[in-house]
Amino acid sequence: TQLLEQSPQFLSIQEGENLTVYCNSSSVFSSLQWYRQEPGEGPVLLVTVVTGGEVKKLKRLTFQFGDARKDSSLHITAAQPGDTGLYLCAGDQGAQKLVFGQGTRLTINP
Amino acid sequence: KAGVTQTPRYLIKTRGQQVTLSCSPISGHRSVSWYQQTPGQGLQFLFEYFSETQRNKGNFPGRFSGRQFSNSRSEMNVSTLELGDSALYLCASSLDAQRGKNIQYFGAGTRLSVL
Repeated sequence: TQLLEQSPQFLSIQEGENLTVYCNSSSVFSSLQWYRQEPGEGPVLLVTVVTGGEVKKLKRLTFQFGDARKDSSLHITAAQPGDTGLYLCAGDQGAQKLVFGQGTRLTINP
Repeated sequence: KAGVTQTPRYLIKTRGQQVTLSCSPISGHRSVSWYQQTPGQGLQFLFEYFSETQRNKGNFPGRFSGRQFSNSRSEMNVSTLELGDSALYLCASSLDAQRGKNIQYFGAGTRLSVL
């Protein structure tokens, strides 16, 4: 059973377009993290959101944690080819155990 | 500060063999977690060690085991390998921060192929 549903699983768009990736769950998490993973590498942490309703911005990336701490979204403005990668959301269940979504494989075409 | 180091990066084994993977955490990090990543199942939690003790375990068979040494380095072992064990095995370390601030740093992984 996948506790975190991530959508879409695949997304291919043109450079300059905007996009949103969603991460949904029926479970409440104490925090939620977003990672980006490139081929041959491990996931790299982008951001951690902790408070319900929290919004964090990282340059062109905006992360939001739902009020009930069950869902999150990642919005990218004016996507660039360098944004290409696998984006993963992960919910913290405590005791160092992260539950990951299936990931969104994003391709930005020049 | 050096990141999480996993060795080897690539391994090829045959069914029935056993394998040991190694992970050196970031200096000062005492918690080490292991994950299996496959295209079909995504990233799945295997187990977590802290101060040489397994604190948390995922839903994997007993063929998957691990240990942690006094210097926080960790190893995981898979015995009687099956074709389905082919995956990228990732290790992550953390300071073991308080609940709600569980920031884990991942290594590049060991890609295991079982033939």
